[in-house]
Amino acid sequence: KAGVTQTPRYLIKTRGQQVTLSCSPISGHRSVSWYQQTPGQGLQFLFEYFSETQRNKGNFPGRFSGRQFSNSRSEMNVSTLELGDSALYLCASSLGSSGANTDTQYFGPGTRLTVL
Amino acid sequence: ILNVEQSPQSLHVQEGDSTNFTCSFPSSNFYALHWYRWETAKSPEALFVMTLNGDEKKKGRISATLNTKEGYSYLYIKGSQPEDSATYLCAFYYYGGATNKLIFGTGTLLAVQP
Repeated sequence: KAGVTQTPRYLIKTRGQQVTLSCSPISGHRSVSWYQQTPGQGLQFLFEYFSETQRNKGNFPGRFSGRQFSNSRSEMNVSTLELGDSALYLCASSLGSSGANTDTQYFGPGTRLTVL
Repeated sequence: ILNVEQSPQSLHVQEGDSTNFTCSFPSSNFYALHWYRWETAKSPEALFVMTLNGDEKKKGRISATLNTKEGYSYLYIKGSQPEDSATYLCAFYYYGGATNKLIFGTGTLLAVQP
């Protein structure tokens, strides 16, 4: 089975711009979660999508949004970029079963976003 | 504020040494604890999902134990090899009703010297 893929792998933007990141989950996985990692911080949960609906949301401003398509692919959008948004953005897919606490997350390689 | 702490932050060992590190998490409202291994330039890879107090999991030379009453989990690596060099992350599953999510620690960076 192909793993989780993310595009693009690297991105450079300037303050005020917006950006869209894409994540293709493992075939058959219905849940996609997004995480942000900045230096010195653990992975911070952004949101989770399941069956095209946002199921859970972390503590990030409204500039961070996402969506999921009927084929489970997901996109994450950040509007009005700030310098502090520079980070590695990881997505993870899982089966999305009702026992979500035990769902193994399969991570993609990440998108490295640099905001200048 | 829910905190997941990992110690030590980093560890340098010689090939063949056995080592262990700790993950501390809130002892109330426990649902699950996940362990991941994250090698440089790769994606985090799941090691274990632990759910029951007293749980012990094993995968090759790596094993983990869980104590939900006191809020900690240990990860052990027996006879470390250079290919074990990675950051080891633990994540506590937080069930908040409105928001359920994995809360990750900042990881333990293991470097195994040949």
